[in-house]
Amino acid sequence: GAGVSQTPSNKVTEKGKYVELRCDPISGHTALYWYRQSLGQGPEFLIYFQGTGAADDSGLPNDRFFAVRPEGSVSTLKIQRTERGDSAVYLCASSSRLADSNTGELFFGEGSRLTVL
Amino acid sequence: TQLLEQSPQFLSIQEGENLTVYCNSSSVFSSLQWYRQEPGEGPVLLVTVVTGGEVKKLKRLTFQFGDARKDSSLHITAAQPGDTGLYLCAGSNFGNEKLTFGTGTRLTIIP
Repeated sequence: GAGVSQTPSNKVTEKGKYVELRCDPISGHTALYWYRQSLGQGPEFLIYFQGTGAADDSGLPNDRFFAVRPEGSVSTLKIQRTERGDSAVYLCASSSRLADSNTGELFFGEGSRLTVL
Repeated sequence: TQLLEQSPQFLSIQEGENLTVYCNSSSVFSSLQWYRQEPGEGPVLLVTVVTGGEVKKLKRLTFQFGDARKDSSLHITAAQPGDTGLYLCAGSNFGNEKLTFGTGTRLTIIP
């Protein structure tokens, strides 16, 4: 597709359940980011992939959160034993931004809104 | 941890007025970007500034990067209802591709 695609757009789950959120980046973009955004706040960094490897996972809040990008394209954010505090919009972005670069535009998807009841 | 504080948090003004939004940090950034986000969508890049003191103009929007590369401002002239949205600054440093977002300014332009 032309842009970053995220599925599902909305996910409602119960506390304690397992959730997977998918991101399909712009074709050819090597860099992929996951952010979490609470209502009215700026996005909070979770993890960054350059190719297949997680170059920086310092933003993952705890070991319930995990993300993969096995073939260097599609990425999945996995949340185990969900808690009500995990409720937020999870944004994925991709970029042609190179390693050791500080510029380059991030192209964001529309996000997956997660609600944990 | 590098933090970017934006002010004001909320701003509601009449169409045609001018406004300035600020983005401040105690840390130095190699570059700074400004994004605008509308409800239900992801942020969209407006501009990137990389040089201390740099000024960039995008139609009615003027962006400035502070001399010390710790702060930035966004000035909008003759605001229009289409300028309504959440404005986000975001900083990064060379060698660290992580983009740190500011707290956001929600702007509402009243027709």
